[in-house]
Amino acid sequence: GAVVSQHPSRVICKSGTSVKIECRSLDFQATTMFWYRQFPKKSLMLMATSNEGSKATYEQGVEKDKFLINHASLTLSTLTVTSAHPEDSSFYICSARAGRGLARPSTDTQYFGPGTRLTVL
Amino acid sequence: GQQLNQSPQSMFIQEGEDVSMNCTSSSIFNTWLWYKQEPGEGPVLLIALYKAGELTSNGRLTAQFGITRKDSFLNISASIPSDVGIYFCAGQEIQGAQKLVFGQGTRLTINP
Repeated sequence: GAVVSQHPSRVICKSGTSVKIECRSLDFQATTMFWYRQFPKKSLMLMATSNEGSKATYEQGVEKDKFLINHASLTLSTLTVTSAHPEDSSFYICSARAGRGLARPSTDTQYFGPGTRLTVL
Repeated sequence: GQQLNQSPQSMFIQEGEDVSMNCTSSSIFNTWLWYKQEPGEGPVLLIALYKAGELTSNGRLTAQFGITRKDSFLNISASIPSDVGIYFCAGQEIQGAQKLVFGQGTRLTINP
């Protein structure tokens, strides 16, 4: 249980294009999803927190117009990197936190997707 | 932003050896989590700790939640080649969105 998927796993795009990454909780409802960015040999850096049906909350220094987040349902959140540039190349990882009503360790625990490797040429 | 102090940053050991890593924080957390990440993959939850002083095992892995709620350690006994990876500790914030605060990671390399 508690499986999170991401699509695509890898994407290569030209500078100036927009890229959408999907994050899905497959076997549970996620009231909250998180988007992280990870540089090589570094820890995960939280970009934003998204709650179903409301606007995402961005961390300081993260451009909300650059990284558009939509959490349209309890099982799907999307991150769109708009007008991507080479410096946006990174490993993007989402996580989903199960809502209440589930026995621990599921409830309140973040489960991570497999990540999306974005390369902008 | 806030970050946990995780050590060591890297370890090079022989297969069969035991491993120990720890995390400390200046803040109190109600939940400590240990994740393992392999190259090109997302972190996988290993152990979740919910109570101060709690000692929890998952196979060859053992983790403890410090009494002060500001630290945790993870031990791996009798290491095997598939233990290779990066191990992250994470503290879950008490308030608001209960965001995770991560340590810098411990990169484990095992010589067969």
